[in-house]
Amino acid sequence: DTGVSQDPRHKITKRGQNVTFRCDPISEHNRLYWYRQTLGQGPEFLTYFQNEAQLEKSRLLSDRFSAERPKGSFSTLEIQRTEQGDSAMYLCASSFAAGGVDTQYFGPGTRLTVL
Amino acid sequence: SQQGEEDPQALSIQEGENATMNCSYKTSINNLQWYRQNSGRGLVHLILIRSNEREKHSGRLRVTLDTSKKSSSLLITASRAADTASYFCATLPKGGGTSYGKLTFGQGTILTVHP
Repeated sequence: DTGVSQDPRHKITKRGQNVTFRCDPISEHNRLYWYRQTLGQGPEFLTYFQNEAQLEKSRLLSDRFSAERPKGSFSTLEIQRTEQGDSAMYLCASSFAAGGVDTQYFGPGTRLTVL
Repeated sequence: SQQGEEDPQALSIQEGENATMNCSYKTSINNLQWYRQNSGRGLVHLILIRSNEREKHSGRLRVTLDTSKKSSSLLITASRAADTASYFCATLPKGGGTSYGKLTFGQGTILTVHP
């Protein structure tokens, strides 16, 4: 059994470029989450999917951010026209929500640096 | 925005001592979870306590929950150098709706255990 995987682990880009991150959840998990974490802070919720449906988006997720989860399997998070303020760790988590318990398992994260 | 506040922000102890971290939150919750994060890595789920539970144990971990005070504490007994990490509490909101799966994290407590 493999855990949640994320690719790439590190990404350095120049301001104005587009970047895309991938998350592969634990198989059979029906929920997938994206969080963002800046240095010295706890993770902040960005968005989540139940199967292929995107159920909620944070106000942190500006128009430059888009997430997809085709076929309810892996997910991608794209940031267009990156800004220096987008520099952060982007964390993906998955869970199998049942019976009111929703333990989320996190991937190792993708660290984005925007120069 | 972060709901939780952890106290203390940083804790430094000697190996073998106990470490206690506190978390306060603002809204009604379904459950509260504690996570550990080693430097620059993903989060590891430690323990979950439901809103109708008052205390829970897992190995060297003891978690308490006081819903009347909207607070929780995490006790790590007989600490080890390997326990050095950041510890975060996270709350899952009460009730259904699309916000149900969204975890709200505190800012974390940095624990350093000296050998």
